Amino acid sequence: GAVVSQHPSWVICKSGTSVKIECRSLDFQATTMFWYRQFPKQSLMLMATSNEGSKATYEQGVEKDKFLINHASLTLSTLTVTSAHPEDSSFYICSASHQGYEQYFGPGTRLTVT
Amino acid sequence: EDQVTQSPEALRLQEGESSSLNCSYTVSGLRGLFWYRQDPGKGPEFLFTLYSAGEEKEKERLKATLTKKESFLHITAPKPEDSATYLCAVLNSGGSNYKLTFGKGTLLTVNP
Repeated sequence: GAVVSQHPSWVICKSGTSVKIECRSLDFQATTMFWYRQFPKQSLMLMATSNEGSKATYEQGVEKDKFLINHASLTLSTLTVTSAHPEDSSFYICSASHQGYEQYFGPGTRLTVT
Repeated sequence: EDQVTQSPEALRLQEGESSSLNCSYTVSGLRGLFWYRQDPGKGPEFLFTLYSAGEEKEKERLKATLTKKESFLHITAPKPEDSATYLCAVLNSGGSNYKLTFGKGTLLTVNP
C-alpha cells in the first residue's frame, strides 16, 4: 500500500520551454501532496504544499509563477516548470499523505534543461 | 527554525558489522520524527515514525530509537543490500501544514 507514482521519470527540454510533471497516489486518496527538489548530494528541499482543490502554499524563495502546482483531485497533482532554464535542472520528487503524518514519496523526475 | 543534523555523513561497514546512525534535532515541539531510505536516483522510502522519547521501532535489521534530542538508527548485521542513504526528518507541532525538515542524510555502504 501507499504507492506514489511520477511521470515522466526523466525529461530533457530546451531552455524557455515548459515541462509538466505528474504525481499520482495509486492506492490511497492523498489529502495533501508535497513537491520537493533535490540537488546532487543534498537533502530534499520543500518547494510547496498543496491540498486538493486549494491553492498551493509555496516555501520562501520559490517562485509560484515559475513552478505552477495544480492539485485537481485526491489522487493527482501536477508541477509545471514554466520557461525552464538550465538552473532549473534538478531531481523533483513529490510525496503524498493521507490522514496521518507519514509522507509517501514518488520515484522522482530528473529534469535536464539544455 | 527547525534543524536536523545527521552523522556521520558517510559510513562504510563490512557485511555483518553492526553500527548506528545519528540524527540530532532542534524543533519547536516535536510532532514526529521520520526515517527514510533513499537509493540513488529514487525517491525516499518510508521506514519509521517515532512520536515520543523512549519509543523504539524495528524492521528486519533496522531499529530506530528516540530521545528528546536525537534519534538513532541501529543496523544489526547489515547486508550489502542495506547500502543506501538514510534520511531523518522532523515534523513540528505548529502550523496546519505537515512540513518535514530533512537532514542531509548518511550514505551507508556495506561491503560484502
